[in-house]
Amino acid sequence: DGGITQSPKYLFRKEGQNVTLSCEQNLNHDAMYWYRQDPGQGLRLIYYSQIVNDFQKGDIAEGYSVSREKKESFPLTVTSAQKNPTAFYLCASSPLGSYNSPLHFGNGTRLTVT
Amino acid sequence: AQKVTQAQTEISVVEKEDVTLDCVYETRDTTYYLFWYKQPPSGELVFLIRRNSFDEQNEISGRYSWNFQKSTSSFNFTITASQVVDSAVYFCALSEAGLTGGGNKLTFGTGTQLKVEL
Repeated sequence: DGGITQSPKYLFRKEGQNVTLSCEQNLNHDAMYWYRQDPGQGLRLIYYSQIVNDFQKGDIAEGYSVSREKKESFPLTVTSAQKNPTAFYLCASSPLGSYNSPLHFGNGTRLTVT
Repeated sequence: AQKVTQAQTEISVVEKEDVTLDCVYETRDTTYYLFWYKQPPSGELVFLIRRNSFDEQNEISGRYSWNFQKSTSSFNFTITASQVVDSAVYFCALSEAGLTGGGNKLTFGTGTQLKVEL
């Protein structure tokens, strides 16, 4: 079955360490996105990528970095510069050229930094 | 700038009651899309419905119905005869007419936690 896989489901890190969240999709979608979810704040866009080797900052990109070397993969690195990294992170994808297309979401990674 | 407001943070109902989740949006675009997503406790967001700005017809899907009113910039969601399985967080979202080259950048509301009890 096609879908988006995020791993791991739970991730714990010490403050000051970089951590990379994995996102893989087999839907053959060109566009991929990373959202952050905090209690009471809904989802906020971190980065998005419309094609391989290209990506743009979203609303809250500071302290994060991404890469898009393959169509299927869009890993997110939470750097030590991110002041409040503890959150629930959701990866999504959509077909290119379909701005009205629903996003397909993964199951999310809950990151806890202490 | 686009904005989506879901003023109801949490709603509790008893099973079989009807419940309406409110969504109010702001946009300067004349072409836009509105979405509703459901987030069960497992975490993933599940797409429920999409509506474009030129289609104000209400829609019904089983126990779910949606009321889109452009005059009040609202896109409300009603669950009829609620069930315990409806317990989840529901998000309303708005999309821009289009990014350069495509894709779909959504602006989400803060979500409404619905609890349906026996």
